[in-house]
Amino acid sequence: SQTIHQWPATLVQPVGSPLSLECTVEGTSNPNLYWYRQAAGRGLQLLFYSVGIGQISSEVPQNLSASRPQDRQFILSSKKLLLSDSGFYLCAWIHPGQVPYEQYFGPGTRLTVT
Amino acid sequence: KQEVTQIPAALSVPEGENLVLNCSFTDSAIYNLQWFRQDPGKGLTSLLLIQSSQREQTSGRLNASLDKSSGRSTLYIAASQPGDSATYLCAVSNSGNTPLVFGKGTRLSVIA
Repeated sequence: SQTIHQWPATLVQPVGSPLSLECTVEGTSNPNLYWYRQAAGRGLQLLFYSVGIGQISSEVPQNLSASRPQDRQFILSSKKLLLSDSGFYLCAWIHPGQVPYEQYFGPGTRLTVT
Repeated sequence: KQEVTQIPAALSVPEGENLVLNCSFTDSAIYNLQWFRQDPGKGLTSLLLIQSSQREQTSGRLNASLDKSSGRSTLYIAASQPGDSATYLCAVSNSGNTPLVFGKGTRLSVIA
């Protein structure tokens, strides 16, 4: 069966520090991968998605970036965090060859920027 | 641009009641619609997925309906229990493997 992992589970970082969040999917190959952010009162916002290694689409211009160095690994990064980057970060995947393309989510990372 | 709205934002009901959560979307050309459950501080759990060609899906005490032409979906929960307390999110996809567009959710409290 497929499993999606995210780490760390929680993170407290000062403003201006770097960030690296990791997402890994097991039990499938060539998934589409997504990063969403959930901020208080704003719902889930799509940040990045990837349909393959090295292929990243950005939905929101900001100080975050994403990379996909391996087929089942998706990394969210920042060189300098802002207070507004605080939130709950969720990674998700679908298998592009499996109708009806149900999307599955990881457990999330709670980021607090102080 | 697709927009998804969920009403009400919060709902509190006594245990045993049947209830309906509403979801509407502005662009009716969707591929599928998913309902998720989110417990505090946790990720999203997929409850039901309805393809655009379907009218409803059922899982246990949950029933989701879709009226694509009017841009609406409802999630019906029968005989609610305190364990149903959570936030319920509706999301749509405009084509097979594109990202989902989410509503802000309905926070449900079922009181014993």
